Amino acid sequence: ETGVTQSPTHLIKTRGQQVTLRCSSQSGHNTVSWYQQALGQGPQFIFQYYREEENGRGNFPPRFSGLQFPNYSSELNVNALELDDSALYLCASSFFARVAGDNEQFFGPGTRLTVL
Amino acid sequence: SQQGEEDPQALSIQEGENATMNCSYKTSINNLQWYRQNSGRGLVHLILIRSNEREKHSGRLRVTLDTSKKSSSLLITASRAADTASYFCATDNSGGSNYKLTFGKGTLLTVNP
Repeated sequence: ETGVTQSPTHLIKTRGQQVTLRCSSQSGHNTVSWYQQALGQGPQFIFQYYREEENGRGNFPPRFSGLQFPNYSSELNVNALELDDSALYLCASSFFARVAGDNEQFFGPGTRLTVL
Repeated sequence: SQQGEEDPQALSIQEGENATMNCSYKTSINNLQWYRQNSGRGLVHLILIRSNEREKHSGRLRVTLDTSKKSSSLLITASRAADTASYFCATDNSGGSNYKLTFGKGTLLTVNP
C-alpha cells in the first residue's frame, strides 16, 4: 500500500456529462500527477500540480482540468465526457525536489471510469 | 505518446524460471523506473535506476540500463505465481522543474504454477 487513496473506485457516466475524481496524497508529499490508462495501454500523463498550481501538462484538451488543495489532495475534472474518456485514472504523489534524478512517484489504486 | 516500448508484449513461464523483459526508449532520460500492475489496478513501484547507473538489484529483481542503446532490462529470478502481472518501464525525461513519467505499453507476465 502506497498511502495514496482515490475515490470513487468505479464510476459510470454518459456522454456529455461531467465527472470529478479525487485523490489524497501520501503524507509528506507535495506534488500530485494524474495519468490516464486506456485498456491495454500504459498510463499517459495528463498533468501535475505543485503548490496548488499546474506544473506541466500532457497532450490532453482543456476539458481536463484539475485542482490541488492546501493539504495536497487533488481533483481531476473532466467536462463534456466522450466515449474515449473511458479508462483507468491514476493519481500519483511525490515529493518535488529541484534536483532531478530520484523523483519516485507513488500511485493510488485508480478510478475506473466508463462512459456510455 | 509512448516513449518506452517493452518487449515482449506477453511472456508465459513456469514457476521457478527467470523472466526477462526489455524496454527501449527514444530520448535522453534522468532515470528509468519499472512498475508492476495487477489486473488493471494501481501501479507498484519496483525499482529506479538513474541515468548514470548501469545495474541495480532489489531482492529477486535485477535491472540494467544501457544509455548508449537507450534500453533497459528487468530480470525476475526464481519467478512465483504471485509475480503474474503487467510490467511497465517508465522514463523520467522531463527537464526544468516539471517532472513526469512516460510509460511504455507493458509486458504481460504469466507465471504458471
